[in-house]
Amino acid sequence: GNSVTQMEGPVTLSEEAFLTINCTYTATGYPSLFWYVQYPGEGLQLLLKATKADDKGSNKGFEATYRKETTSFHLEKGSVQVSDSAVYFCAFYTGGFKTIFGAGTRLFVKA
Amino acid sequence: EAQVTQNPRYLITVTGKKLTVTCSQNMNHEYMSWYRQDPGLGLRQIYYSMNVEVTDKGDVPEGYKVSRKEKRNFPLILESPSPNQTSLYFCASSLGAERGTEAFFGQGTRLTVV
Repeated sequence: GNSVTQMEGPVTLSEEAFLTINCTYTATGYPSLFWYVQYPGEGLQLLLKATKADDKGSNKGFEATYRKETTSFHLEKGSVQVSDSAVYFCAFYTGGFKTIFGAGTRLFVKA
Repeated sequence: EAQVTQNPRYLITVTGKKLTVTCSQNMNHEYMSWYRQDPGLGLRQIYYSMNVEVTDKGDVPEGYKVSRKEKRNFPLILESPSPNQTSLYFCASSLGAERGTEAFFGQGTRLTVV
């Protein structure tokens, strides 16, 4: 069935470190892929998205590339800041009015 | 400002006492949805609505009801809450269900059922 697997957290990094959060998916059909971010006490907001193979989504220094051959959509940032501390959710949409979310990865960035 | 508004933000209630969590969006979105967020499980869809008077079950609909009498509002109703419904709830809306459409989320309602 449809599912998203993302790396377990929490992930703790020092400021300016390189970030990778792995995400792989199992989907029927050809999904659109998303990363959402949830800051403390807030709802989810879209961070970036990609709708077809080899597309790269980017926003606020974060990037993720749609890899159809490996069914992956790993999130990366070259230099994290304390303000990036949040929970990150990988998700996909295949139609049928449903978005499938991963379990979320909590990121802590230390000054 | 475009937003999805949920109320209340926090609620503690007792088992069996009916409650309603309201959700309203000001973006004229057709599609609305309710999710619950539990540790280690991510977000799971409870119910969704494609338009006024059109609703359907998501992955975990048991114990919940919804209604969509107006386009902007999509309340979640717990007729007889139980402790296993203690969770963080999010309402979301989007223009439609098309490929790549972004979902907008409310700030969440933390519900505790004792």
